[in-house]
Amino acid sequence: SAVISQKPSRDICQRGTSLTIQCQVDSQVTMMFWYRQQPGQSLTLIATANQGSEATYESGFVIDKFPISRPNLTFSTLTVSNMSPEDSSIYLCSVEVPGRETQYFGPGTRLLVL
Amino acid sequence: QKEVEQNSGPLSVPEGAIASLNCTYSDRGSQSFFWYRQYSGKSPELIMFIYSNGDKEDGRFTAQLNKASQYVSLLIRDSQPSDSATYLCAVNPTSYDKVIFGPGTSLSVIP
Repeated sequence: SAVISQKPSRDICQRGTSLTIQCQVDSQVTMMFWYRQQPGQSLTLIATANQGSEATYESGFVIDKFPISRPNLTFSTLTVSNMSPEDSSIYLCSVEVPGRETQYFGPGTRLLVL
Repeated sequence: QKEVEQNSGPLSVPEGAIASLNCTYSDRGSQSFFWYRQYSGKSPELIMFIYSNGDKEDGRFTAQLNKASQYVSLLIRDSQPSDSATYLCAVNPTSYDKVIFGPGTSLSVIP
């Protein structure tokens, strides 16, 4: 498996501001994913972040709202821009471990937008 | 559209009983299947994976795969209150670069 950390673990933000979430993995991975999970709901994939290329966004998510960086094989950031209360959610970083064909999750970032 | 479906529940079972969680998937060529457990307020945790038809046992957990019928199930024997969680089924379809997650089934084990 992989050890994944996220910062911050939680935050309370004001409407109209932006928050950048960091994801750090203890080993090199090719594919990193960002999910959103609203209370009582399942996982919603926001985008896939591969090192050296632009992130690939799922339907309903755009780069202007959720810019992603992937500067190397162990780190990624997701920014939630111009936040509104509807962005209140848990944001999860996930990685695919080479050879395992599945994904492991970080502890999540709990965001509340007032 | 590649899909993974699960009953949302909640599924309630008494302590000590067998809990049976089911999942169906649409991509007939899928090769890898996973079960995640997610406690309230926590992130999903991988608990089982299965690649071949039949049963795979790990402690109190048994994953069952039937590719012909396109379903995968998770049995939890001797259910404990600590098993109360949401269980996510996940499938790695062919020719696709990410795992597809089902909506999850909420399990409640009643003492």
